[in-house]
Amino acid sequence: AQSVAQPEDQVNVAEGNPLTVKCTYSVSGNPYLFWYVQYPNRGLQFLLKYITGDNLVKGSYGFEAEFNKSQTSFHLKKRSALVSDSALYFCAVTVPPSGYSTLNFGKGTLLLVSP
Amino acid sequence: DAGVTQSPTHLIKTRGQHVTLRCSPISGHKSVSWYQQVLGQGPQFIFQYYEKEERGRGNFPDRFSARQFPNYSSELNVNALLLGDSALYLCASSPQGARNSGNTIYFGEGSWLTVV
Repeated sequence: AQSVAQPEDQVNVAEGNPLTVKCTYSVSGNPYLFWYVQYPNRGLQFLLKYITGDNLVKGSYGFEAEFNKSQTSFHLKKRSALVSDSALYFCAVTVPPSGYSTLNFGKGTLLLVSP
Repeated sequence: DAGVTQSPTHLIKTRGQHVTLRCSPISGHKSVSWYQQVLGQGPQFIFQYYEKEERGRGNFPDRFSARQFPNYSSELNVNALLLGDSALYLCASSPQGARNSGNTIYFGEGSWLTVV
């Protein structure tokens, strides 16, 4: 079975400070990992993904994530938070070649950036 | 280019009724998936279709069914609605090949279903 855990229900950070949203995974095999963001009453927007190669992945809106195989983690980071980054963030995993890109999502982490 | 489009955006149904939700994938994408997102939780996989064939099914009752049309659009049908079916239903598309190759999966804005 494959799963992800987002241990924090909510992360609070002041604008301009760095932010980290944590994600750990549990899979058999090598994972494909994704981060999505959801604004209120909206669908999911793709931020970035790790498939293979460089462990540091850069994505949209200045976000990046680091794949750490030994710690089975894929934490989302940004160097300087914006108030507009406030949203719900989801980590997701899928494992090739089994399945047709079915994503298993974490429960989400609410990021609140204060002015 | 248009993204994944879903209709309707909001709807209210009564327990026991039937609902049909529709989805058009991004142009050129042949794979469509459906997810259910209950308030306060992450999306849960319902179905995936590729080239008009069901390729995956999540842990949902037989009241849930779906199909994909020759133009790759898709419908999700739910029969005998229960209060617990109230959720945001998300459609996703990807340029999926024959196997999972890590293609990005793009989501639509979703259809909000309220069952009363």
